[in-house]
Amino acid sequence: GAGVSQTPSNKVTEKGKYVELRCDPISGHTALYWYRQSLGQGPEFLIYFQGTGAADDSGLPNDRFFAVRPEGSVSTLKIQRTERGDSAVYLCASSSDYSTDTQYFGPGTRLTVL
Amino acid sequence: KQEVTQIPAALSVPEGENLVLNCSFTDSAIYNLQWFRQDPGKGLTSLLLIQSSQREQTSGRLNASLDKSSGRSTLYIAASQPGDSATYLCAVLDSNYQLIWGAGTKLIIKP
Repeated sequence: GAGVSQTPSNKVTEKGKYVELRCDPISGHTALYWYRQSLGQGPEFLIYFQGTGAADDSGLPNDRFFAVRPEGSVSTLKIQRTERGDSAVYLCASSSDYSTDTQYFGPGTRLTVL
Repeated sequence: KQEVTQIPAALSVPEGENLVLNCSFTDSAIYNLQWFRQDPGKGLTSLLLIQSSQREQTSGRLNASLDKSSGRSTLYIAASQPGDSATYLCAVLDSNYQLIWGAGTKLIIKP
């Protein structure tokens, strides 16, 4: 498994529930990014990590969204009190250098909030 | 605020034709520009990355150019094949190290 992996691939939940989305980056990549993509749109930046710390979380839409990367590898995006508007594909990417390196993307998690 | 626009939104051409996809951005203060390919239900695959100091990059039948001062990039695909059918997205790495994306061009190559 040399690429970025994301689990689950699909998640269906009810409005108001809590969900966690997981991302396993490429081994050795220090930078990790989360994006959200709605149908027919390009991805929208949410947050990125350099190592264990969130270097920029300005894209998180509100305080229901939170992400962690406690050991500088795997990251979890957490969404509380989900709303129907949260339905989208959540993409994770990693790179070896946040400034100039190509970002390598996982297949995404499709979240559907009923 | 950086904005990225891709034209056209969709394009359908016969197999074998050369084609050009366009990307424009409003703020020239970028670190790099990338072109990605997205297949239905799948993740994004990086095709070409052009650093801000570069003018173009080539990979096989693909050539991407960058004119930072005018805020434009083009992706040229030579001798198109049905397997090239996908959505092509461009993204710029802005001064805050955020990737700002266009909405994509959906390309269909007809056999």
